[in-house]
This record gives sequence, structure tokens and C-alpha cells, in this order.
Amino acid sequence: EAGVAQSPRYKIIEKRQSVAFWCNPISGHATLYWYQQILGQGPKLLIQFQNNGVVDDSQLPKDRFSAERLKGVDSTLKIQPAKLEDSAVYLCASSPIISYNEQFFGPGTRLTVL
Amino acid sequence: AQRVTQPEKLLSVFKGAPVELKCNYSYSGSPELFWYVQYSRQRLQLLLRHISRESIKGFTADLNKGETSFHLKKPFAQEEDSAMYYCEHNAGNMLTFGGGTRLMVKP
Repeated sequence: EAGVAQSPRYKIIEKRQSVAFWCNPISGHATLYWYQQILGQGPKLLIQFQNNGVVDDSQLPKDRFSAERLKGVDSTLKIQPAKLEDSAVYLCASSPIISYNEQFFGPGTRLTVL
Repeated sequence: AQRVTQPEKLLSVFKGAPVELKCNYSYSGSPELFWYVQYSRQRLQLLLRHISRESIKGFTADLNKGETSFHLKKPFAQEEDSAMYYCEHNAGNMLTFGGGTRLMVKP
């Protein structure tokens, strides 16, 4: 079974620039998650989708972050404009159904904002 | 808000020694707790979940509702257990990870 795919793997931008990350979950997985992991901390959930609907985005900084999951399959996370404190690894995960289920993680995208 | 606390950032033990990675949570309802592990240059992956009460790679974790803890234990550590370990609390659409503990098993 193919795992969760993410691209790019690394991205370096300057502050105030825009950036987008892409995630393709495991086929058939209804739930998709985006996490932000700052160096030395645990993953922090940004947004959770069930198919193409948002279940929870309470921790997403909506003034600069946006995410979509068109057609309920792959997803993009965008930051516009980026700040220095956005430097982190952005993890995508998927699971077959919402809650109480194993999450399968992608390799992550390491973002550096200069 | 939910909180998951892993008090030790780093735990260093010798091979063959017992290991206990601590996890405390704050939640008044019925918790669903997981341990995830990340080996060097690998993805974050599930190690075990409390609901299945299983032992994976010699690790076990017992939910103690009275102490709101879900500590991960292994009686005899192996060098290949060296990794980052994260405790996670999953309450439907509320998912919270602890800050992680790096386990180093020395030969």
C-alpha cells in the first residue's frame, strides 16, 4: 500500500512570500490532517478534513493560512504571507475514518522562512 | 483545552535496562490515547493504542485514569528502541500531541 505523499520535501522562502504544500493521502482514507511541528515540539493540529469538509480548524491561523481538499482526495496548505515563526515541518496524515483511528503520516515538508 | 505532558525531553538508558516514558493528560471524558514513534529518518508511526491493550516490540502502556497517565514501559531496552516518542490524546476532532521524549539506548 502506498503511503501518504507530500511535496515539496524542503522549501526555503523569505518572509512575506507565499508558499504551498501538497498532500496525497492513502487511497480510500476519508480523514486528512495537517500538522505544524516546530523544532523541539510535538505536532500541532492545524486542520482536519472529513472527505472534503472541514471538521476542525480551530488552531489554523486563518489570517495567513488556508487549506483545501477539493474532491475529498488530495489537499493543499497555503501560507500567505509567511512569517519567520512559520519555520517548521508541516506534516500531513490520513486515517480511514475520523477519530480513534491510527493516523498514517507523510514524510513532512520542512519550511525555512528567512 | 486538552493538554498532553511528556515531562522528559531526553531519557538515556543502557541496553537491557528498564524504560519508562511518562505521559500525563488532562481530559475529563473517556480518553483515547496513543503512543507514536519516530525512528531516525523515518516517518512518525503508531506504536500502540490503549484500547487494544497490546504489546508492541516489547512495549506496553497502561491507562491510569486516577492519575491521568499513560506511561510507556519496556522491561529491557534495546539499542534499536532509540527514537522520538510522542504521546497523543485523540478525542474525536480534538487531537493533541505531547512535546515528545527522545529515548537514547546506549550499548
